[in-house]
Amino acid sequence: GAVVSQHPSWVICKSGTSVKIECRSLDFQATTMFWYRQFPKQSLMLMATSNEGSKATYEQGVEKDKFLINHASLTLSTLTVTSAHPEDSSFYICSARDLTRQGGQFFGPGTRLTVL
Amino acid sequence: KQEVTQIPAALSVPEGENLVLNCSFTDSAIYNLQWFRQDPGKGLTSLLLIQSSQREQTSGRLNASLDKSSGRSTLYIAASQPGDSATYLCAVKDNYGQNFVFGPGTRLSVLP
Repeated sequence: GAVVSQHPSWVICKSGTSVKIECRSLDFQATTMFWYRQFPKQSLMLMATSNEGSKATYEQGVEKDKFLINHASLTLSTLTVTSAHPEDSSFYICSARDLTRQGGQFFGPGTRLTVL
Repeated sequence: KQEVTQIPAALSVPEGENLVLNCSFTDSAIYNLQWFRQDPGKGLTSLLLIQSSQREQTSGRLNASLDKSSGRSTLYIAASQPGDSATYLCAVKDNYGQNFVFGPGTRLSVLP
């Protein structure tokens, strides 16, 4: 149980295009989901926290107009990187919190984004 | 603001050795601490979760301890194997329980 999936697992796009990454909790409902970014050989940095049915809360330095987050249902959150640039190339990991499991937080497998 | 550090940054050991990875955090008011494993280009695998009221947790060859007052945790790996090679991340969750603050990780290589 407590599986989180991400799609796609990797994506390559041209500079200036937009890319959408999906995060799904497969066997539990997640009122809260988190989006992290990880640059090579660095640790995970929280980008934003999304709560179902409300606007996401972004960490300092993260552009909310560039990284659009939608958490429209209890099992799905999406991150859209708008007008992507090479510096947005990174590993994006989502996490979902399951309130029925004492607040356990479960991580997805990540999405590798490469912007050419 | 909570800060998490890990020592060493990288470690290479021969197979069979016992080893200790260290994690330090600046704010002792934590909700829990979790150790993760990350293989190259992959997501996170949870290894051990220690609640703030606990002192240690064990799973197989892994043992994690927590000293909240001093802001430290250690991950002990017994009889290391080449399959243990990965990056080990320490993460703490604050008392508001909202999200994790991650350490930079320790890259472990176990040589056959």
